[in-house]
Amino acid sequence: AQSVTQPDIHITVSEGASLELRCNYSYGATPYLFWYVQSPGQGLQLLLKYFSGDTLVQGIKGFEAEFKRSQSSFNLRKPSVHWSDAAEYFCAVVSNRDDKIIFGKGTRLHILP
Amino acid sequence: GAGVSQSPSNKVTEKGKDVELRCDPISGHTALYWYRQSLGQGLEFLIYFQGNSAPDKSGLPSDRFSAERTGGSVSTLTIQRTQQEDSAVYLCASSQRLAGAGKAEQFFGPGTRLTVL
Repeated sequence: AQSVTQPDIHITVSEGASLELRCNYSYGATPYLFWYVQSPGQGLQLLLKYFSGDTLVQGIKGFEAEFKRSQSSFNLRKPSVHWSDAAEYFCAVVSNRDDKIIFGKGTRLHILP
Repeated sequence: GAGVSQSPSNKVTEKGKDVELRCDPISGHTALYWYRQSLGQGLEFLIYFQGNSAPDKSGLPSDRFSAERTGGSVSTLTIQRTQQEDSAVYLCASSQRLAGAGKAEQFFGPGTRLTVL
């Protein structure tokens, strides 16, 4: 069955440090991939998406992600985090069998001052 | 409206009672999805609608759960005889088209936090 794995449940980084959140997916063909962010008490907001073309995708709030087919990965990166980036981040892939979107279990990001 | 809205934002109910959760999608969005988010469990797919039709109800946890959509717009998720394990945040999302059609960004509502005592 298709799946999305976010290996890190929690990540803590210092403000101003760089960030990489990992995402691995299982899929046969070229996937449609997303990263969403959920701030406390809020719904999910789309950060960026990959459908085709350039494998380095730019998103909102200074985030980017790189699609690597050979590694089945779509890791999220940011060069310098801000305290307001503290939130939960979800990687997702469109199912190749139906019209569902499959979400990972999320990575909670903590920012140290 | 400008975004997806859900009501109520919070619902506390007693075990055994029925609850109705409402979702107002973005105007013109034909696809509507319901998810359940439990602590530490990520998002669990429940059901989706294309227009007023729900082609796949396999994600509903039990026959106590049902959902409908009318006029291709508002959707209600009903949980009958609530149990404590139903406590979670229920999220609704809408999209211009179904996910399988590709390039279908989902816009999420703020969710309804359900607490079953």
